[in-house]
Amino acid sequence: NAGVIQTPRHKVTGKGQEATLWCEPISGHSAVFWYRQTIVQGLEFLTYFRNQAPIDDSGMPKERFSAQMPNQSHSTLKIQSTQPQDSAVYLCASSLLGGREQYFGPGTRLTVL
Amino acid sequence: GDSVTQKQGQVTLSEDDFLFINCTYSTTTYPTLFWYVQYPGQGPQLLLKVTTANNKGISRGFEATYDKGTTSFHLQKASVQESDSAVYFCALVPNSAGNKLTFGIGTRVLVRP
Repeated sequence: NAGVIQTPRHKVTGKGQEATLWCEPISGHSAVFWYRQTIVQGLEFLTYFRNQAPIDDSGMPKERFSAQMPNQSHSTLKIQSTQPQDSAVYLCASSLLGGREQYFGPGTRLTVL
Repeated sequence: GDSVTQKQGQVTLSEDDFLFINCTYSTTTYPTLFWYVQYPGQGPQLLLKVTTANNKGISRGFEATYDKGTTSFHLQKASVQESDSAVYFCALVPNSAGNKLTFGIGTRVLVRP
């Protein structure tokens, strides 16, 4: 079991550029979550898919952030017009349908210059 | 909304010392409670799960217990090793639709040889 895979591991963008982060959940897991981790705010929930359908995006900033899950094997988090305050580690997690245990990937460290 | 409070920012111990970390929580449901551990450059790893049904979880020498009366749960280990140095997060998932995790701010544990 490869675990949750996230690519890239590190991404550096200039202010105003777009960033796309990728997540491959554990095979057989039907729920995918995105979180953001910063020193100041800690671990914050962003959005959640179940069977590829968006269920809860209450943590997503209203502008510039979007997430998709086009198939059961990957999800993307896109940030348009990145700003320095978007710099963080973005974490993807997956779980079995109905399961409460979430398993995290290694994260993508986004740095916006 | 749900919240988790983890007051100990950093704990410094020597090998073979006793570790104790406490969290309190607030939720309107009967939650499932978790302890995650994060090593540098990695995502959080699930360490223990505690439910209101069993009150206790044990894994890898760590023990987590839950007290519904004080809405608190804690993590302990009788004898820490240098390899236990990491950041420990408490978290909860509410017993309602939607499984997003709400995390505490984390406790950095440093074990000196």
